[in-house]
Amino acid sequence: QSALTQPPSVSGSPGQSVTISCTGSSSDVGSYNRVSWYQQPPGAAPKLMIYEVTNRPSGVPDRFSGSKSGNTASLTISGLQTEDEADYYCFSYVGSYTMVFGGGTKLTVL
Amino acid sequence: EAQLVESGGGLVQPGGSLRLSCAASGFTFSPYWMLWVRQAPGKGLVWVSRMNGDGTTISYADSVKGRFTISRDNAKNTLYLQMSSLRVDDTAAYYCGRESFYAVDVWGQGTTVTVSS
Repeated sequence: QSALTQPPSVSGSPGQSVTISCTGSSSDVGSYNRVSWYQQPPGAAPKLMIYEVTNRPSGVPDRFSGSKSGNTASLTISGLQTEDEADYYCFSYVGSYTMVFGGGTKLTVL
Repeated sequence: EAQLVESGGGLVQPGGSLRLSCAASGFTFSPYWMLWVRQAPGKGLVWVSRMNGDGTTISYADSVKGRFTISRDNAKNTLYLQMSSLRVDDTAAYYCGRESFYAVDVWGQGTTVTVSS
């Protein structure tokens, strides 16, 4: 149950796009389309942004999109806004009924 | 509106025990997988345990296996986490969550567990 690998930090200016990667292995991210993404502002509970790699829950802006290639899933945020500044985590089913989070990425909007 | 409210956190000595509760409301509790996630101060989210609707399928993170027990009472719409042999590194905010499509679509506000002498 090793954590999925995310970059510790990313940054962008308002209006730009940023992509956060989440790298696992052929036995977890590569094997299952069961990756979700969460936004966590400081001091708050996480919020679901993407599920099953590409699906957006109701109410999440379409500026947020997800994708996967091989063993790496990605979250792209386009048209960055200041309120997007938060920590972002990926989460994946990894088999045998177990799950694992990524280490988290701090997004700074410059 | 679906809501989860955790309780039971507090200060406990190393080696001690604590039981967390998560009260669900606003949705039909019994069909859903439920889970626990924790977050140590200043650190990332860590999956702890999950359980299916009727309690027949349970899994744990290696770090808590043999020390923590997840359970549920569908009649009371409540999820539990019994924690024993607590260690200093179990200090964290503990969140319960509702699973849908292998994602956590509803989160509680968290309850804080501090393990210290």
